[in-house]
Amino acid sequence: ELKVEQNPLFLSMQEGKNYTIYCNYSTTSDRLYWYRQDPGKSLESLFVLLSNGAVKQEGRLMASLDTKARLSTLHITAAVHDLSATYFCAVDQGAQKLVFGQGTRLTINP
Amino acid sequence: DTAVSQTPKYLVTQMGNDKSIKCEQNLGHDTMYWYKQDSKKFLKIMFSYNNKELIINETVPNRFSPKSPDKAHLNLHINSLELGDSAVYFCASSQDSQDGGETQYFGPGTRLLVL
Repeated sequence: ELKVEQNPLFLSMQEGKNYTIYCNYSTTSDRLYWYRQDPGKSLESLFVLLSNGAVKQEGRLMASLDTKARLSTLHITAAVHDLSATYFCAVDQGAQKLVFGQGTRLTINP
Repeated sequence: DTAVSQTPKYLVTQMGNDKSIKCEQNLGHDTMYWYKQDSKKFLKIMFSYNNKELIINETVPNRFSPKSPDKAHLNLHINSLELGDSAVYFCASSQDSQDGGETQYFGPGTRLLVL
């Protein structure tokens, strides 16, 4: 059974700092997704990573995928308050069945 | 224009009641999903339908029954509601592709509270 684990689960950081959220998964897959969820809101798609070595960037966020290590990272550069949210990674187990990580609750303080 | 919409947004009901949640997508997608997000924010897939055909049916009590009248709609009916059914239920949709890897677009969620 596919297991997806994120760490850290909680992250409090200061504006302007850099940090990385890690997403490990237990069985082979080459499709990984990152989503953002604001409190009380829906999930917003951030990145779709479809192959080993895939790297995507949008603004201060950059995601990468290493399928051999079964690891994806979400890197935040020079954090700003607006990035405070819960971030989820999800791995496609096949037939578009996504298995989600526990989520990382990110708080960015001025 | 709302891409994936759900009704109702909030649902408060008594144990033992039967309730339905409706989902509609106007993206022209072929596949629709139901997810449950519990109080710890953990998200788990429940069902998926592709062109009205059930594809994914996770280990969900048979009190939960999805129905897809057409590929733009996927409803969720819940019989004999229990306290543990309290959660946020998200509908999602995605396009088909041969290689997979299509983004799933989520609706706003239905917050169900069973008293």
